[in-house]
This record gives sequence, structure tokens and C-alpha cells, in this order.
Amino acid sequence: GENVEQHPSTLSVQEGDSAVIKCTYSDSASNYFPWYKQELGKGPQLIIDIRSNVGEKKDQRIAVTLNKTAKHFSLHITETQPEDSAVYFCAASASNSGYALNFGKGTSLLVTP
Amino acid sequence: GAVVSQHPSWVICKSGTSVKIECRSLDFQATTMFWYRQFPKQSLMLMATSNEGSKATYEQGVEKDKFLINHASLTLSTLTVTSAHPEDSSFYICSARGGRLANYGYTFGSGTRLTVV
Repeated sequence: GENVEQHPSTLSVQEGDSAVIKCTYSDSASNYFPWYKQELGKGPQLIIDIRSNVGEKKDQRIAVTLNKTAKHFSLHITETQPEDSAVYFCAASASNSGYALNFGKGTSLLVTP
Repeated sequence: GAVVSQHPSWVICKSGTSVKIECRSLDFQATTMFWYRQFPKQSLMLMATSNEGSKATYEQGVEKDKFLINHASLTLSTLTVTSAHPEDSSFYICSARGGRLANYGYTFGSGTRLTVV
């Protein structure tokens, strides 16, 4: 089955700096890669996603890059703000696994003022 | 946008009793529903996948007789934790896929915090 590795597990940055979180996946059939933000006691919220036919996608301060050959994808947050502090999860899914999302272990991001 | 309503948001039950968690897709038809469990400071672990009108497919290590999943309609799926024990205490989250979101889209419920005492 799919195995998604996520690094780092914790990340602390100063407000205004950039944050980068990286994930790798094992199943070459995976074709959808979303990123979620989860605040304490709440369900995950989609912040950006990318499909396998695209190499990069950007939405304001957030961007995701995908390298299919290397099987890795990354989340980039620029101009970080304290409200960006949360746990971020990457995930991957493939049609041959019933489209279920397999999640990385998460990154706890702390943005200090 | 697509909304999945999950209830209850939290529940405390006595050991040995059963608890039902509901997930409803409010504005789309959820052809597939996924149920996840999340322990504190850990990731979401897939428990089972259910397609409307079919039996759920459980992940390895998840007891199907303990975690009963029903997906009888396109807008409602339920997870029943039977004979709950303290080790079942966790955060349970549903995710729905379907309708115009079937092309890659997933919508998550807000989660249910289960505490078994």
C-alpha cells in the first residue's frame, strides 16, 4: 500500500519567514496530493492540492510543488503569520486504493511573532 | 461549497456501551465515505471505506464487528462503536467524496471526540 513520509515533524519560524514541509510517497499510481491544516480539536481543512499532471500550483501565500519522478511534493508558505500555526498534513491517493487518502504523520508549525 | 456535518462533536460513554457517530453530506451526494481515527498528536489512520449501498471495506487490523459502518443512503453514513472500551477513546473523522467533487475532491467532517470511561 501507499506510504507517505512527512518532514519535519515540528517547524518553528518567525513571522514573515517562509516555511517548507516535504513529503514523499511510495505508490507510483498515486495521482492526487492534497495538503490539510488541522487546528486542535477540529477536522482537517484543505488548503491546497495538486494533481499528478501538474508540477506546481500557487494560491496567494501557499504553493505546492510535485516531482513525480522523485515521488515527492512540498508545501511552501511565504510571509508566515501567527495564525498559520497549526498541524499540517500531506496526503496521497490513487484510484487503485479506492481513492482513500493516505496521510503523512503531520508537521506542527509554530509561527512566532 | 461542499459540507459534511458530523455529530456528535464529542461524546462520553461508559465502558461496554455502544456509540453511534453520524456523517451527513449536506449539499452533495457522497458516493464514498471514509472513516478515520486519530489519536492525540498522531496522524489520521484510515479505518474503512464505504460505498453507498455496499458493505464497508475495512483496513487491516480494524475489527469490522466492533466498528459497524452503515452507508445506506447517498447523504448519510454512520459509524457505531460497539462495546466500547477505554482504548477506543479517540478522535473519529469522516470524509466524503462524491458529486462534482468525485474528481479528486474530499470533504471532511469536524470530527467526534469519543471518551470511554
